[in-house]
Amino acid sequence: KAGVTQTPRYLIKTRGQQVTLSCSPISGHRSVSWYQQTPGQGLQFLFEYFSETQRNKGNFPGRFSGRQFSNSRSEMNVSTLELGDSALYLCASSRWGEANVLTFGAGSRLTVL
Amino acid sequence: GESVGLHLPTLSVQEGDNSIINCAYSNSASDYFIWYKQESGKGPQFIIDIRSNMDKRQGQRVTVLLNKTVKHLSLQIAATQPGDSAVYFCAENIGGDTDKLIFGTGTRLQVFP
Repeated sequence: KAGVTQTPRYLIKTRGQQVTLSCSPISGHRSVSWYQQTPGQGLQFLFEYFSETQRNKGNFPGRFSGRQFSNSRSEMNVSTLELGDSALYLCASSRWGEANVLTFGAGSRLTVL
Repeated sequence: GESVGLHLPTLSVQEGDNSIINCAYSNSASDYFIWYKQESGKGPQFIIDIRSNMDKRQGQRVTVLLNKTVKHLSLQIAATQPGDSAVYFCAENIGGDTDKLIFGTGTRLQVFP
């Protein structure tokens, strides 16, 4: 079965711009979460959605936002990009009742110039 | 506070030997501890988890040990293979049906022939 699909895989933006990243979870998985991975900070939780509702949010500024659609697909948006936003953004989905077993996508690598 | 750390950034082992990857945690309230493996260019992949009321759990070629007295978690890989080469992360889940995981900094496992 298809895994978690993230698009785009790579993108380059300049400071001040905004970006939207997309995630299609595994079929049947209703929970989607987003993580930011950088060499300095490691893997950090951004937010989690279940049935179109944000269930948890990490310690990131309001420039980071997300949403989930009725088909469980999710998007995250970063506005007013800063150099420090350069990172690998990972999306993960999980089956109800198996919160520890996250299936991650390959990520969207964002470079901010 | 919430923090999960690792003792060693890089571990080199010979093919066929056993590997032990260590992790220290500070949040005694965590409900689950989990190990993930991340290969180059891919998202993290779930390996095994252990509930806080257990001290040992075995999977295929892997064993996770939890020592709550000293807040220490380890992952043992038997008969390490070249395909085990990756970065290994420990993570903790504070409980409830949430995908919010707190990840450690990671240990790179290198397997030599």
